[in-house]
Amino acid sequence: GQQLNQSPQSMFIQEGEDVSMNCTSSSIFNTWLWYKQDPGEGPVLLIALYKAGELTSNGRLTAQFGITRKDSFLNISASIPSDVGIYFCAGQLDTDKLIFGTGTRLQVFP
Amino acid sequence: DAGVIQSPRHEVTEMGQEVTLRCKPISGHDYLFWYRQTMMRGLELLIYFNNNVPIDDSGMPEDRFSAKMPNASFSTLKIQPSEPRDSAVYFCASRTSWWTREAGELFFGEGSRLTVL
Repeated sequence: GQQLNQSPQSMFIQEGEDVSMNCTSSSIFNTWLWYKQDPGEGPVLLIALYKAGELTSNGRLTAQFGITRKDSFLNISASIPSDVGIYFCAGQLDTDKLIFGTGTRLQVFP
Repeated sequence: DAGVIQSPRHEVTEMGQEVTLRCKPISGHDYLFWYRQTMMRGLELLIYFNNNVPIDDSGMPEDRFSAKMPNASFSTLKIQPSEPRDSAVYFCASRTSWWTREAGELFFGEGSRLTVL
């Protein structure tokens, strides 16, 4: 199926560092969402973005809806061990379906 | 709300056996999605329902896969006969109607990990 290009594919960082990841598409989306998946669990919604240029925060997480509507960014500040997991972006058109990114696997070392 | 509930959490079966995965969506959600997750292919949409009606099953791998939603609170994904390449984590997810602002917010269950030997 169709997927979004997400980068980086994986990250290995030290506790306290900031993290940045992004998602790009050849298609325009009306909604961008960021999910986190912990090992053995289903993805959980972190942040939803509904408007081009929108910048939204959720604690140490900040996400932006790209102005071109073809990309989105997620930043995590001052990472902690519980940030470990896989982060997925997802984009939605006016149709019913969400298109998911390929995921960024984050590992945080103390 | 209890969230999306899936069962079983883990299933190990032998090739050729029938597998049935179950899902209870969040009450009031009128969209239900079945996804499959593997390391190689990531999260793939298999099929989704709106108001219990299958809308798009283009992601269903082949005729061995079938899904039903007999009512608003229950759905099944069946694989018959199962094959080793069907081994994956199968997720069910639900959300509200698309015309609401929160329509993109998909809520996932904890998944059913299937291993076919």
